Amino acid sequence: GENVEQHPSTLSVQEGDSAVIKCTYSDSASNYFPWYKQELGKGPQLIIDIRSNVGEKKDQRIAVTLNKTAKHFSLHITETQPEDSAVYFCAASREGGGNKLTFGTGTQLKVEL
Amino acid sequence: DTGVSQDPRHKITKRGQNVTFRCDPISEHNRLYWYRQTLGQGPEFLTYFQNEAQLEKSRLLSDRFSAERPKGSFSTLEIQRTEQGDSAMYLCATSGTANTGELFFGEGSRLTVL
Repeated sequence: GENVEQHPSTLSVQEGDSAVIKCTYSDSASNYFPWYKQELGKGPQLIIDIRSNVGEKKDQRIAVTLNKTAKHFSLHITETQPEDSAVYFCAASREGGGNKLTFGTGTQLKVEL
Repeated sequence: DTGVSQDPRHKITKRGQNVTFRCDPISEHNRLYWYRQTLGQGPEFLTYFQNEAQLEKSRLLSDRFSAERPKGSFSTLEIQRTEQGDSAMYLCATSGTANTGELFFGEGSRLTVL
């Protein structure tokens, strides 16, 4: 089955700096790669996703890049703000396979003032 | 609130007891998923339904676990003869017919087995 590894497990940045979280996946048939943000006491919420037919996607301060050959994808957050502090999870799945997501172990992002 | 609703939010039980969690999906979402999340880990897939049909179960779902979605709307997850290792957050998520890929998660039901 699919295995997703995520690094780093914790990340501390100063407000206004950029943050980068990296993930690798094992199943070459995976073609859908979402990122979820989980705040304390809440369920994960989708913030951005990318499919294997594109290499990069951007939404305001958030961007995701995908390297299919190397089987890795990354989340980039620019101009970080305190409200970006949360746990971020990458995930992978095969579309058409019931959208069963395999999640990484998470990155605790702390944005310091 | 039209989001995914889970009940109860917290459950403390003694080892060996049975527990049941309920999930009410976003209206008209035909796919419903159960995930388990332990401290410091990402959610792990347990099972999913398309309408009332349970289409896939993870090997994590032992014989003590059973999930139902009798009318294709709400779902229940029952754990029989609970063990301390069952302590976790049980998350429900749903997705709609548009199949954008996005899962909408509830806030979870936290189980503590003493």
